[in-house]
Amino acid sequence: DAGITQSPRHKVTETGTPVTLRCHQTENHRYMYWYRQDPGHGLRLIHYSYGVKDTDKGEVSDGYSVSRSKTEDFLLTLESATSSQTSVYFCAISEPGEGYEQYFGPGTRLTVT
Amino acid sequence: QQQVKQSPQSLIVQKGGISIINCAYENTAFDYFPWYQQFPGKGPALLIAIRPDVSEKKEGRFTISFNKSAKQFSLHIMDSQPGDSATYFCAASIGQGAQKLVFGQGTRLTINP
Repeated sequence: DAGITQSPRHKVTETGTPVTLRCHQTENHRYMYWYRQDPGHGLRLIHYSYGVKDTDKGEVSDGYSVSRSKTEDFLLTLESATSSQTSVYFCAISEPGEGYEQYFGPGTRLTVT
Repeated sequence: QQQVKQSPQSLIVQKGGISIINCAYENTAFDYFPWYQQFPGKGPALLIAIRPDVSEKKEGRFTISFNKSAKQFSLHIMDSQPGDSATYFCAASIGQGAQKLVFGQGTRLTINP
């Protein structure tokens, strides 16, 4: 998975609790992304980062926030988890000058009860 | 609004046959069209990609056919093998820099031995 780790890999949490997912890369890639994968929807972009402390919204950003204080780490926070946020979350990275390929991490399966 | 529509949702092909998955897009500004392969429990991995200045790209047994006027592109897998059994996603994005991929819904491909 191209030097990308995600933690935790599995998490069960209750509605209304805050949750933070972590993506860590060892590739020193500039761009980092968070996607969610749901049956029938493919993958949808939540937020992305184009540098340290530089982030922007994706297609389905409501209810999510992100932070990137170091090149290697990109955090996704659900401030108050809801059942609709039950999903598999994937982090991805890419680097300008290496084509357009995005490398995906192994994913985090989140269940909100 | 689904900007990239993928079909079929599932596909069963005999070993040695040709697997064909189709995608249609709406946004004419898209200029990068990748296909991703995903095995259970893993993140998606880039399989092959095409830019709109060519009508076909081939890599081994995998071929992308691109029809700009029809806003459609397809993946052909020749001599399909059981190891090709996976979920396939088409995607599209615009421009350079951060690649905000818009994914199709996915196709679960099963190759029967």
